[in-house]
Amino acid sequence: EADIYQTPRYLVIGTGKKITLECSQTMGHDKMYWYQQDPGMELHLIHYSYGVNSTEKGDLSSESTVSRIRTEHFPLTLESARPSHTSQYLCASSEAGLSSGANVLTFGAGSRLTVL
Amino acid sequence: AQTVTQSQPEMSVQEAETVTLSCTYDTSENNYYLFWYKQPPSRQMILVIRQEAYKQQNATENRFSVNFQKAAKSFSLKISDSQLGDTAMYFCAFMKIPGGAQKLVFGQGTRLTINP
Repeated sequence: EADIYQTPRYLVIGTGKKITLECSQTMGHDKMYWYQQDPGMELHLIHYSYGVNSTEKGDLSSESTVSRIRTEHFPLTLESARPSHTSQYLCASSEAGLSSGANVLTFGAGSRLTVL
Repeated sequence: AQTVTQSQPEMSVQEAETVTLSCTYDTSENNYYLFWYKQPPSRQMILVIRQEAYKQQNATENRFSVNFQKAAKSFSLKISDSQLGDTAMYFCAFMKIPGGAQKLVFGQGTRLTINP
């Protein structure tokens, strides 16, 4: 079944550690996104990608970085985690083009990061 | 820039009742999509319903329907015959057309609880 997978679901780490949140989708979608969901539940776009080798900053500034070497994979990395990075991170993907499904984002279950 | 406002942080109704969630938005765009997404506790965000701004007819999906008032920039969600499984955070979201990166702008969310 086509879907989008995020690992780890939960992560507790100490300040200064490097972390990578994984996101993979099996739908062949060209476009992928990372949203940050704060404790108040608001969602903000932090990164997106049009396709392989394409990455763009989102509407909310983030110290994280992303890469898109393969269509199905869009990992997010924090080089040195801080308590202010504590949040839930949601990955999503969508089709390119003008089809009826092209404007619908499919979301992963999220990665909840706690930095002590 | 587009903004989406959900003025009801929390709502609670009894099972089988009808509930309406409010959403207003601000944009200078003429063509866009509007969405309601549902995020159950600790589960994946899923699409509930979408509306294309150029369509005057309100979208419906089984027990879910919207009241789209383009001039008033209002987009409310009505859930009929509510069920316990409807308990979730509900997010109203906006996407402009052409979408480019198909970025979603979310409202703050409404936490809906269906009581038995």
